Amino acid sequence: GQNIDQPTEMTATEGAIVQINCTYQTSGFNGLFWYQQHAGEAPTFLSYNVLDGLEEKGRFSSFLSRSKGYSYLLLKELQMKDSASYLCAVRDHSGNTPLVFGKGTRLSVIA
Amino acid sequence: DGGITQSPKYLFRKEGQNVTLSCEQNLNHDAMYWYRQDPGQGLRLIYYSQIVNDFQKGDIAEGYSVSREKKESFPLTVTSAQKNPTAFYLCASSIEVGDYNEQFFGPGTRLTVL
Repeated sequence: GQNIDQPTEMTATEGAIVQINCTYQTSGFNGLFWYQQHAGEAPTFLSYNVLDGLEEKGRFSSFLSRSKGYSYLLLKELQMKDSASYLCAVRDHSGNTPLVFGKGTRLSVIA
Repeated sequence: DGGITQSPKYLFRKEGQNVTLSCEQNLNHDAMYWYRQDPGQGLRLIYYSQIVNDFQKGDIAEGYSVSREKKESFPLTVTSAQKNPTAFYLCASSIEVGDYNEQFFGPGTRLTVL
């Protein structure tokens, strides 16, 4: 079956660094996505990993280890506006196919 | 402006009534998707379509129906057979470029069945 695990909730302080982990067990692997979703809004794309290693994009970085079925999203210099849910999603088939989503991690940034 | 539109943003219906949620995209994307999101839950796939006049069931298709008569449009009907229809419904679309296909999401429709 398909299984994507993330912590349910995390809290971090403004200005700090936080790492959100994601482990996956899927029938195939053709890329891992991270999305940000503010309450009541649509998810917005943050990052994509298909090869092992770190992808950096401003304050956000994402890491992938395919052999371990593991990814993390790293958020630096946290701001209050980073309070949101972060969704890990895997594309388990090639082609224009659906993503398999984890349940999301709700991050609260406190002063 | 290219994008995905869903209407309405909020929808209320009485129990036992069918309701159709609209999803339109002008991104020229081939594939379109419907997801359902419940509080504290991730996105669960209802239906998807990779090409006009063709669609496949997702993990939770029971009680829902779709059509794909035009590339731009992928309406979702929530029927009275859906036991617990109150949820946040998200439509998405994607196009494959090489081996990459990012999904873009519409703003969502929050359906409440009274």
